[in-house]
Amino acid sequence: GQNIDQPTEMTATEGAIVQINCTYQTSGFNGLFWYQQHAGEAPTFLSYNVLDGLEEKGRFSSFLSRSKGYSYLLLKELQMKDSASYLCAVLDSNYQLIWGAGTKLIIKP
Amino acid sequence: IAGITQAPTSQILAAGRRMTLRCTQDMRHNAMYWYRQDLGLGLRLIHYSNTAGTTGKGEVPDGYSVSRANTDDFPLTLASAVPSQTSVYFCASSVSGSNEQFFGPGTRLTVL
Repeated sequence: GQNIDQPTEMTATEGAIVQINCTYQTSGFNGLFWYQQHAGEAPTFLSYNVLDGLEEKGRFSSFLSRSKGYSYLLLKELQMKDSASYLCAVLDSNYQLIWGAGTKLIIKP
Repeated sequence: IAGITQAPTSQILAAGRRMTLRCTQDMRHNAMYWYRQDLGLGLRLIHYSNTAGTTGKGEVPDGYSVSRANTDDFPLTLASAVPSQTSVYFCASSVSGSNEQFFGPGTRLTVL
């Protein structure tokens, strides 16, 4: 079966750095996406990785290792508005997105 | 219209009733998707359409049907609603199947 694993919940302090991990087992791989979802709102796109390595975009970075079936999302200089759920999703061999259950990130002052 | 819209925002429905959730995008995206999101579970794909005139089944298609008569609209129909279809439904679109998806604001559906 296809499986995406990410921690259910994480807590971090404002101004700090947090890393959210995602491991996957899917039928084929055509890229990995990270989305942010604030409570009661729609998911919004953060990043896309298809090759191994680190992609940096402002305070957010995303890393991929295809051989390990592993990705992480790194958030720097945390702000209260970063409190949200972070969704990892893999594009499988049929070009369908397989979604993790999401990681709820709680930021404390 | 800017982006992707859904209607209604929320709905309470008696079991056995028929219901259509509407989704419209103005970005001329080829691909459109319907997901349901339940607490503790990831987004699950119900149906998708890679281009106008074609549709396909996702992970959880039973009890749902879709049509794609044109590029902009992708309605989702529940022929006879059941309580297990209580969920938040998101419509999404993308330029193609390999691109980022843009999501509508969602429809919160409760079936009693």
